[in-house]
Amino acid sequence: EAGVVQSPRYKIIEKKQPVAFWCNPISGHNTLYWYRQNLGQGPELLIRYENEEAVDDSQLPKDRFSAERLKGVDSTLKIQPAELGDSAVYLCASSSIWGYNEQFFGPGTRLTVL
Amino acid sequence: AQRVTQPEKLLSVFKGAPVELKCNYSYSGSPELFWYVQYSRQRLQLLLRHISRESIKGFTADLNKGETSFHLKKPFAQEEDSAMYYCALSRGSGNTGKLIFGQGTTLQVKP
Repeated sequence: EAGVVQSPRYKIIEKKQPVAFWCNPISGHNTLYWYRQNLGQGPELLIRYENEEAVDDSQLPKDRFSAERLKGVDSTLKIQPAELGDSAVYLCASSSIWGYNEQFFGPGTRLTVL
Repeated sequence: AQRVTQPEKLLSVFKGAPVELKCNYSYSGSPELFWYVQYSRQRLQLLLRHISRESIKGFTADLNKGETSFHLKKPFAQEEDSAMYYCALSRGSGNTGKLIFGQGTTLQVKP
């Protein structure tokens, strides 16, 4: 079984530039999560999708962050414009309704904002 | 507010020594507790969950609701146990989603 796929793995941009991250969950997983992990911290949820519906986006900074999961499969997370404080690892995870709340994580995208 | 606290950023032990990674949580309801592990150059993965009450790779964790703790234990550490360990809490049961993670503890097992 292929795991959660994320791209790119690394991204370096200058502040005020836009950036986008892509995630393809495990086939058949209806729930998709985006987490942000700052250096030395645990992951923090940004947004959770059930199929194509965002059911929890309370931690998403909506002034600059946006996300979509148009067909209920893959998802894109965008930051525009990026700020220095956005430097972090962005993790995507997915889970199945049959999976007893086990989340499967992708390798993450390490973003550096200069 | 829900919170997970892992008081140790680094735990260093010798091979064969017992290990206990501490985790305390605050939550007023009935949480689900998990331990996730990240080995070097690998992705974050589930180690064990409290509802399963099972031992994985020799690790066990017991939910103590009175002390609001979910400490991870192993009687004899192995070098391959060296990794970053995260305790996490989820509200409710089933696929209700949001995981709240602690800050993580790096376990270093010396030969």
